[in-house]
Amino acid sequence: QKEVEQDPGPLSVPEGAIVSLNCTYSNSAFQYFMWYRQYSRKGPELLMYTYSSGNKEDGRFTAQVDKSSKYISLFIRDSQPSDSATYLCAMKRGTGFQKLVFGTGTRLLVSP
Amino acid sequence: NAGVTQTPKFQVLKTGQSMTLQCAQDMNHNSMYWYRQDPGMGLRLIYYSASEGTTDKGEVPNGYNVSRLNKREFSLRLESAAPSQTSVYFCASRLAAQETQYFGPGTRLLVL
Repeated sequence: QKEVEQDPGPLSVPEGAIVSLNCTYSNSAFQYFMWYRQYSRKGPELLMYTYSSGNKEDGRFTAQVDKSSKYISLFIRDSQPSDSATYLCAMKRGTGFQKLVFGTGTRLLVSP
Repeated sequence: NAGVTQTPKFQVLKTGQSMTLQCAQDMNHNSMYWYRQDPGMGLRLIYYSASEGTTDKGEVPNGYNVSRLNKREFSLRLESAAPSQTSVYFCASRLAAQETQYFGPGTRLLVL
């Protein structure tokens, strides 16, 4: 069983829709949670970073962590065609050098 | 700032050939990483360098070697390329005081 599970998609939505992207994990020691966005043939770029449980909002993006359920989510409001990309969740146990464990990514397609 | 740069962008090798992938960062980051990304496997850590002068194996180090040339540069060497090493390789860096990694644009490697 993988430490981090993520549905590969693709997830297809119309422009303006609210998108929900999710990851589940098995290691309760994870404390730091990140979402990366990766456009085709590009490197991953950091989108959101949260520590422990709770919500964090940045513009149209909201990251949510539920440690009791070992479940994290990324919500995108008013989705745009430019949001079409692969979204990778990543998480780590502690501070300093700790291995960052990635999900396999969910491909999102937002149609005009 | 260019961030994290990688060369070459694309390379074709024959089985048994050797090559070095170059990575440099201009963000004065302490830690640097090499990942490979394969379909359905996500990002897997090959080697990392927690600080200048140190290197350690990650999840999939077999067939690779690394050199942390100085604080800016971290190279990945394939001594005898195999078709199983066909992948997209990403370099990343991290500032010691932060938890997030910043990725380069990647090198696409095809081993025939």
